[in-house]
Amino acid sequence: GDSVTQTEGLVTLTEGLPVMLNCTYQSTYSPFLFWYVQHLNEAPKLLLKSFTDNKRPEHQGFHATLHKSSSSFHLQKSSAQLSDSALYYCALSDNYGNEKITFGAGTKLTIKP
Amino acid sequence: EAAVTQSPRSKVAVTGGKVTLSCHQTNNHDYMYWYRQDTGHGLRLIHYSYVADSTEKGDIPDGYKASRPSQENFSLILELASLSQTAVYFCASSGTGNYAEQFFGPGTRLTVL
Repeated sequence: GDSVTQTEGLVTLTEGLPVMLNCTYQSTYSPFLFWYVQHLNEAPKLLLKSFTDNKRPEHQGFHATLHKSSSSFHLQKSSAQLSDSALYYCALSDNYGNEKITFGAGTKLTIKP
Repeated sequence: EAAVTQSPRSKVAVTGGKVTLSCHQTNNHDYMYWYRQDTGHGLRLIHYSYVADSTEKGDIPDGYKASRPSQENFSLILELASLSQTAVYFCASSGTGNYAEQFFGPGTRLTVL
C-alpha cells in the first residue's frame, strides 16, 4: 500500500536559517504529493501540492520539488520566520480514482529567535 | 471560503459509553472524511464517504462507525468508547479529483476515562 515517511519528528532552527523538511513516499501508482501545515490549536490546511508537469509549487516562501527517481518531495524555504513554527504533514494521493490521502507522521518545526 | 464545522469541540466520555461526533460542511463537497490525530502517528483515516447514505472504511476503522445522512453531514460513532480512543478527531471535506484540496474542521478533543 501507499506510505509516506517523514524522518524528522522534531526540527528546531534559528530564525533566518534555511528550512528543509524531508518527505519520501512509496506508491504503486504515480501519486500526487501535498504538504499540509497545522499551526498550534488550528486545523491542518493545504500549503502546497505537486504539479503534473515539472513546475515547482511555491507558497508563502515555501517550495517543494517532486523527484520521482528518489520518491521524494522535500519542503524547503530559504529563510525561516518565527511564524513558520508549526506541524507539517507530507501526504499523497495515489491517483487511482479514489480521493483518499495518506499522511505522514508529521514534523514539528520550531523556529527560535 | 470553505467551511467545515464540528460538534462538540471537546468531550469527556466514560469507558464503554457511546459517543457521537458530528460534522457539517457548507462547501457542497461530495467527499467527507474522519481522521484521528495522535502524536507520532499523524493523521490517520478512520472512515470516509463520497455520497450520502454510503460510507467506506479507511485505514483504522475498528471500533468506529460512520453515518452520512446527507451531503452536508457526516457523523462518527463510537459504540463502546475505550481508553485507546482518546485523541483529537478531525473532519474534512473535498471535491472530486485526486488533486482536490481537503478542508478540515477545527477538531474535537475526545478524552475517554
